[in-house]
Amino acid sequence: EDQVTQSPEALRLQEGESSSLNCSYTVSGLRGLFWYRQDPGKGPEFLFTLYSAGEEKEKERLKATLTKKESFLHITAPKPEDSATYLCAVQAHAGGTSYGKLTFGQGTILTVHP
Amino acid sequence: DTEVTQTPKHLVMGMTNKKSLKCEQHMGHRAMYWYKQKAKKPPELMFVYSYEKLSINESVPSRFSPECPNSSLLNLHLHALQPEDSALYLCASSQGLAEGGQYFGPGTRLTVT
Repeated sequence: EDQVTQSPEALRLQEGESSSLNCSYTVSGLRGLFWYRQDPGKGPEFLFTLYSAGEEKEKERLKATLTKKESFLHITAPKPEDSATYLCAVQAHAGGTSYGKLTFGQGTILTVHP
Repeated sequence: DTEVTQTPKHLVMGMTNKKSLKCEQHMGHRAMYWYKQKAKKPPELMFVYSYEKLSINESVPSRFSPECPNSSLLNLHLHALQPEDSALYLCASSQGLAEGGQYFGPGTRLTVT
């Protein structure tokens, strides 16, 4: 069974204080790993897809990296508007009844104080 | 345009009511999804449609009935719900079942009284 574990559960940063969120996964053949940002009461906002170990993607202050066992979301010089819940999800390769299904982690709640 | 729209934004219904949630996307995506999300939990998959056919039903109770009238629209018909069904209902779409990322709509906040 595919599993995703995110850590820490909650992270409080001062504005400008860089840090990283972790997403550890086990999956029977990784097709893709996805990062989402979710604000309270809203739908998840798609950030990145990573497909293979060594891949990196960047968007503004965010950078996502992938190894064979985990992914990191690096946040450089965060601002208060980066406060949100960050969700990681994995998708397995085709085959079986779970085809197309995303397995989500529990999320990391990020709070950035001014 | 990477937008998925959902209506209504909020819905309050009694346990004997029948209501429907609607979702629309104009990105040409061929896979559409319904998720349920409780507070402080990740989204939980309910149904998946691929090319307008039901592909995955995650053992959802029959009081939830999905419908995909065409490639751009997805409905979720609700009947005889329970208070524990109160949640944020999210629609998502992707290029295909395992193609590209899933793009989520803003959700419908459902309260069952």
